[in-house]
Amino acid sequence: GQQVMQIPQYQHVQEGEDFTTYCNSSTTLSNIQWYKQRPGGHPVFLIQLVKSGEVKKQKRLTFQFGEAKKNSSLHITATQTTDVGTYFCAGRRGAQKLVFGQGTRLTINP
Amino acid sequence: NAGVTQTPKFQVLKTGQSMTLQCAQDMNHEYMSWYRQDPGMGLRLIHYSVGAGITDQGEVPNGYNVSRSTTEDFPLRLLSAAPSQTSVYFCASSYQGSSNYGYTFGSGTRLTIV
Repeated sequence: GQQVMQIPQYQHVQEGEDFTTYCNSSTTLSNIQWYKQRPGGHPVFLIQLVKSGEVKKQKRLTFQFGEAKKNSSLHITATQTTDVGTYFCAGRRGAQKLVFGQGTRLTINP
Repeated sequence: NAGVTQTPKFQVLKTGQSMTLQCAQDMNHEYMSWYRQDPGMGLRLIHYSVGAGITDQGEVPNGYNVSRSTTEDFPLRLLSAAPSQTSVYFCASSYQGSSNYGYTFGSGTRLTIV
């Protein structure tokens, strides 16, 4: 079945450092979504990417969708303590079902 | 709007007991789904529904039943609880017609089977 792999599983950074998480699919995706889950909370939708090679920015967050629509990345510039949490990518192929990656847990040393 | 409401927030069950996790949304979303979250496993789809009266299985459906009698409600039933079903359960909903909307998640039910 469709699989979405996400790396790294954990990342610890100093506040102010950059952070990147990568998502790879075994199959071509129609779109990919990114979610953030704060500790003890629930996933919250951040963004959706649809087009090949698409790049979107939300303040310090930059999201990319690969040319082959099989991979994606989330990059955070100059992390802040409010960025702590687990970041999930989720890929959709055709129908509504989303397949989530395992998530990258980001911790930050202030 | 309340969004997606899940009850209960916490539950402890004995092995073999049954229970229903409730999920309700007030956004008129056609699509609803149940995920379980386990450490290192991400979110795994249990069951989903694309509209009232229609349900289908996800990745890990065994041991769970669902029904969708109304647009608003999508309960998840554990028939005979097993320790392997200890997990955090999330209900999520979205619009069906457009793929431009992300999922709205409930706050989760933390379920422990002893």
